[in-house]
Amino acid sequence: DTAVSQTPKYLVTQMGNDKSIKCEQNLGHDTMYWYKQDSKKFLKIMFSYNNKELIINETVPNRFSPKSPDKAHLNLHINSLELGDSAVYFCASIPSGVTGELFFGEGSRLTVL
Amino acid sequence: EDKVVQSPLSLVVHEGDTVTLNCSYEVTNFRSLLWYKQEKKAPTFLFMLTSSGIEKKSGRLSSILDKKELSSILNITATQTGDSAIYLCAANAGNMLTFGGGTRLMVKP
Repeated sequence: DTAVSQTPKYLVTQMGNDKSIKCEQNLGHDTMYWYKQDSKKFLKIMFSYNNKELIINETVPNRFSPKSPDKAHLNLHINSLELGDSAVYFCASIPSGVTGELFFGEGSRLTVL
Repeated sequence: EDKVVQSPLSLVVHEGDTVTLNCSYEVTNFRSLLWYKQEKKAPTFLFMLTSSGIEKKSGRLSSILDKKELSSILNITATQTGDSAIYLCAANAGNMLTFGGGTRLMVKP
C-alpha cells in the first residue's frame, strides 16, 4: 500500500564505492524528485523527472546520476562516494499540473565512512 | 535564485503554550505555499495555501498566507509534546518545491 517507497532505507558504505537507491511510486504521478536532507535538516532538490524526462537538475556533482526507466520509477546512482554525501535522500512525487503537496518516500539514510 | 527562509530556527516551549512559526519566500512563478511536519522520517503534509488572507485550520494548527508580504505563519495553540518536530515551509514554483531550513520545535511537559 506504500505510495512512495525507497530502498534501501539505510546504507553504510566506504568512501570511493558506488551505490544506488531505488524509488517507486504507485500513485500514477507524472513527476518524481530526489531531495537531499543534510545533517541540519535542510531539504534541497537534486533532480526532477517528468514522464521519464529530466526537467530539473540542480547543481549536483556529476557523480550523481538519476535514471528513470518508466514514470513510476526514479533511481539514484552515486559514483565514488565522498564523506559529504552522507545524508538522508528523499524521493517524492506529484501529479503534473498540480500545485499541491509532494508525496514523500520514507527516506534513505546514506552514511559514508 | 528561489529562496525560502524560516524563523525561528528553533523554539522550546511548555505544553499549553501557543507558538507562531514564520516563513518568508522569494520565488519566481509562485503557485502555493506548503507546510510540512517532520518527525523521525518523511515530512508529512499539513497545509497548502494559495490565496492571501484565508486561514486554513486543522485542529490546533492554523496557517495563513500573505502574498503582499511574501510570507506565511503557522500557529499551534495549546501545544502538546506530540507537536515536537521540525516544521518545514516550502514554496511551490512550477511543480518544484523550494524548502526553508525548518523550525525545530520542542514542547516540554
